[in-house]
Amino acid sequence: QSVLTQPPSASGTPGQRVTISCSGSSSNIGSNTVDWYQQLPGTAPKLLLYSNNQRPSGVPDRFSGSKSGTSASLAISGLQSEDEADYYCAAWDDSLNGVLFGGGTKLTVL
Amino acid sequence: EVQLLESGGGLVQPGGSLRLSCAASGFTFSSYAMSWVRQAPGKGLEWVSAISGRGGSTYYADSVKGRFTISRDNSKNTLYLQMDSLRAEDTAIYYCAKTTTGYSSNQYKYYFDYWGQGTLVTVSS
Repeated sequence: QSVLTQPPSASGTPGQRVTISCSGSSSNIGSNTVDWYQQLPGTAPKLLLYSNNQRPSGVPDRFSGSKSGTSASLAISGLQSEDEADYYCAAWDDSLNGVLFGGGTKLTVL
Repeated sequence: EVQLLESGGGLVQPGGSLRLSCAASGFTFSSYAMSWVRQAPGKGLEWVSAISGRGGSTYYADSVKGRFTISRDNSKNTLYLQMDSLRAEDTAIYYCAKTTTGYSSNQYKYYFDYWGQGTLVTVSS
């Protein structure tokens, strides 16, 4: 089963801005909204951003999202040590009639 | 407060069956779709199955179609996943997730806004 494409790893120093990309196709990102999930070590995933760029209550505005065509990105500004986690993008796929996840990006705060 | 509590995981032999449950509270259960998402050890997230609020529509990943059955009992606020013909590659933590669906600016939205803590399923002889 195909997945959305994310870089396997990303890193930054405290205070820096980092971005994580997510590439898909016309049947998923190209026609539906993108969501982002954060998974801290040893815990269940948590919704980080929904509908491309909306933050659930409690998510700091350091996290932002954007989408253009068949690609999306997650930006984290003012990087903090507690941001060290795995990040996944996801979108509904019209061809599969189901949800596709990206392979995940492990963010390391140096 | 939304709470999702999975149960039913364990060790099962290849070819065996297992039924997972997810007890929900803190929201109007019948008003929301629900989903199962799994994560194999050391791997990424994989969507498994979803069911509409009233249970009339179900969806499955190709990897489990014909072997897994999702259902719900809205009178008990409980979601189920019946897993048959289990394979080693089904070994994973299974999460249930409250699911929000709809349209946003002509784009279909389908996201998991609350997750349970997960239950581990191990398929091994």
